[in-house]
Amino acid sequence: DTAVSQTPKYLVTQMGNDKSIKCEQNLGHDTMYWYKQDSKKFLKIMFSYNNKELIINETVPNRFSPKSPDKAHLNLHINSLELGDSAVYFCASSPSRRSNYGYTFGSGTRLTVV
Amino acid sequence: AQSVTQLGSHVSVSEGALVLLRCNYSSSVPPYLFWYVQYPNQGLQLLLKYTSAATLVKGINGFEAEFKKSETSFHLTKPSAHMSDAAEYFCAVINNQAGTALIFGKGTTLSVSS
Repeated sequence: DTAVSQTPKYLVTQMGNDKSIKCEQNLGHDTMYWYKQDSKKFLKIMFSYNNKELIINETVPNRFSPKSPDKAHLNLHINSLELGDSAVYFCASSPSRRSNYGYTFGSGTRLTVV
Repeated sequence: AQSVTQLGSHVSVSEGALVLLRCNYSSSVPPYLFWYVQYPNQGLQLLLKYTSAATLVKGINGFEAEFKKSETSFHLTKPSAHMSDAAEYFCAVINNQAGTALIFGKGTTLSVSS
């Protein structure tokens, strides 16, 4: 039973399209995150939600909009996709916003914009 | 502001040799430090963590790391490399303040040859 699951695993789409990535965790954690891993494998935090409340919103284009319908789900919607959005997007969760336990990561969504 | 620097983007060892992956941190408050491993096309898996208890931390798969405050280091070691250890390794830091998230180093690719 996967702890943090993301769908889809692969996403290929054309420039200008709108797409969504879904994330669900069954760990009972309060806090969820979206990270972007670029082609050089650098991981950068994008957003974080704690119990449905947005607590971290890094410098990310407005085309990216996270939504958390409940504390077990955090989705990422991307409007007007650009070539530079091609990356691997990871969802993660932690017990709380002040977590020193580390995060549990999903297996990633590889987004390719053509 | 916190950060981690991983020295050496690529480390190559022979099977059975010592593995040493270097990580230095910068933090204005006591940090929590982590090592994660990423196998090809997979998510990140927690190897070990330092959370201000014992300075020598043992993790999974025979890895360990030592927190040295005087050197601001948290290097990852394994006495004897195995072929299955070939992967990308990330050092990460966080402090226990609200509104922060794990900050990752740029990663070190470990290659193991027979």
